[in-house]
Amino acid sequence: AQSVAQPEDQVNVAEGNPLTVKCTYSVSGNPYLFWYVQYPNRGLQFLLKYITGDNLVKGSYGFEAEFNKSQTSFHLKKPSALVSDSALYFCAVREPGSNYQLIWGAGTKLIIKP
Amino acid sequence: GAGVSQSPRYKVAKRGQDVALRCDPISGHVSLFWYQQALGQGPEFLTYFQNEAQLDKSGLPSDRFFAERPEGSVSTLKIQRTQQEDSAVYLCASSLPSPNTEAFFGQGTRLTVV
Repeated sequence: AQSVAQPEDQVNVAEGNPLTVKCTYSVSGNPYLFWYVQYPNRGLQFLLKYITGDNLVKGSYGFEAEFNKSQTSFHLKKPSALVSDSALYFCAVREPGSNYQLIWGAGTKLIIKP
Repeated sequence: GAGVSQSPRYKVAKRGQDVALRCDPISGHVSLFWYQQALGQGPEFLTYFQNEAQLDKSGLPSDRFFAERPEGSVSTLKIQRTQQEDSAVYLCASSLPSPNTEAFFGQGTRLTVV
């Protein structure tokens, strides 16, 4: 069955340190991969996506993500964390052949400490 | 408008009451989605429209839930005879009808059934 796993419920990082939020997927074929962020009492905001091409994609707010086909992973990264990055992060996958259905991870709460 | 607009932002309903939640998508976005999100969880798919056609309603939890998009723009999610388990945030998203495009989310409607 198709699935997306975010193995960490919460990630704690000190401000200024690099951060990684993990995502692995189990989907047939070559999927499209997305990261979204959700701040308290807000909707989801698109951060970045991987469709094809360069495995390292850059997105909003200094975030980037690396697609690794052999490990079926799409980890979100940022070189230097800000306190304002504290939020809930969701990884989502769209199967090739589907033009709408997204499979969502359960989310990872990122806490950046000053 | 500039983004996806949802109203009301907050709704308190007495158990058994009918509610209607409105979504105004980004102009020109053919695809429209409704999701249900429990606190701290990922979005759960409810239904999908392409223009005015409801192509997938497999996620609607019961026949008390009904969605429409009669003119292919504004959409309404209606919940009849609300129950406490319906309490959640209801998210609307819209996108272009291409599988490699991201969805844009509204801020959501927080429904509390008392």
